[in-house]
Amino acid sequence: KQEVTQIPAALSVPEGENLVLNCSFTDSAIYNLQWFRQDPGKGLTSLLLIQSSQREQTSGRLNASLDKSSGRSTLYIAASQPGDSATYLCAVMGGANSKLTFGKGITLSVRP
Amino acid sequence: GAVVSQHPSWVICKSGTSVKIECRSLDFQATTMFWYRQFPKQSLMLMATSNEGSKATYEQGVEKDKFLINHASLTLSTLTVTSAHPEDSSFYICSASGLAVTDTQYFGPGTRLTVL
Repeated sequence: KQEVTQIPAALSVPEGENLVLNCSFTDSAIYNLQWFRQDPGKGLTSLLLIQSSQREQTSGRLNASLDKSSGRSTLYIAASQPGDSATYLCAVMGGANSKLTFGKGITLSVRP
Repeated sequence: GAVVSQHPSWVICKSGTSVKIECRSLDFQATTMFWYRQFPKQSLMLMATSNEGSKATYEQGVEKDKFLINHASLTLSTLTVTSAHPEDSSFYICSASGLAVTDTQYFGPGTRLTVL
């Protein structure tokens, strides 16, 4: 059974800092990995999707990498801003069952 | 990206009543829709997968008679929580995808259910 872990559960950084959010998964047989943003009481906003054959994806200040063999992904946020404060969820789509398995998320707070 | 809506965005009901939540894909045909539940500070947990015109497939531990799912058209799926109890209070999120099961899922904004 796939398990997705995101540690730490919460992170607080000053504005302008570059930061890395980590995600690990137990079963490397994945189809893709996706990073989402969730604001309090809201739905999910897809940030980046990495196919299993890819190593990384970039969008603006965000860069996500994938090391499938080691079961790890990182989300790099450059020059963090208070507006980046949210919960960041990592999810993997199983290669066999095509279901999304989510981590619990990392709640990021960027202090002005 | 594609837009998925949910209605209502929040609902409060008395214990024992039934609540229906709608999930609509606004600008594409959603062959498959998924229903998730999220408890505070927890992961989204998949409850069931529904394909248009067929019965939903429920995850282990999810009572199909309690959580009724109907996917009667390519743009609408409904989740009915029957005889709701306080422990059913949660955030329910749907997602929709296209023809291939590995297609990108587009998520709705979620519905906050509170059962008194």
